[in-house]
Amino acid sequence: GAGVSQTPSNKVTEKGKYVELRCDPISGHTALYWYRQSLGQGPEFLIYFQGTGAADDSGLPNDRFFAVRPEGSVSTLKIQRTERGDSAVYLCASRTSSDEQFFGPGTRLTVL
Amino acid sequence: AQSVTQLDSQVPVFEEAPVELRCNYSSSVSVYLFWYVQYPNQGLQLLLKYLSGSTLVKGINGFEAEFNKSQTSFHLRKPSVHISDTAEYFCAVSVLSGGYNKLIFGAGTRLAVHP
Repeated sequence: GAGVSQTPSNKVTEKGKYVELRCDPISGHTALYWYRQSLGQGPEFLIYFQGTGAADDSGLPNDRFFAVRPEGSVSTLKIQRTERGDSAVYLCASRTSSDEQFFGPGTRLTVL
Repeated sequence: AQSVTQLDSQVPVFEEAPVELRCNYSSSVSVYLFWYVQYPNQGLQLLLKYLSGSTLVKGINGFEAEFNKSQTSFHLRKPSVHISDTAEYFCAVSVLSGGYNKLIFGAGTRLAVHP
């Protein structure tokens, strides 16, 4: 596709469950970012990948959050033992060597 | 640490009126500045960006912004708004750190255009 895609678009889960959120970046984009947008707030940086490696994971809130990008393209954000406070829209963005980040539509996660 | 402050959480305006959405940033290093728009249930779309050069930047949909280094501001303006401009607008600063850029966003300004 032409843009960044994210699946699922919506995810409802119960407290304590495990979830995976997927991001397909624009083909050829080596840089990939995850952000979290809570209600009424701007996106907050979670993690940055350059190729397959996580160059900066300083935004991950705790060790329940983990992300991978094994082949340098698709990335998966994994959340263990979900809590109600994890409810948010999770945004993925990718970038070439330019400075513009292209955002996907996001995954709305609701933890009941 | 870098931060972005959007001074207005909501801005109501009538159609065809001018609008200014305010943004101030703090950073001890050179920055790149961005404005993104988010329509309901959609992802973020880049409106415009300042990297260097002319301090007046023109973007899509008739928006423009002016970088003011002395006031650390990057306010967004449009001379005449349309109903379709109703959306959430985010100002962001990109800081080069460790060889890559990371975006830091403000809390957003909800622009509501009324007929």
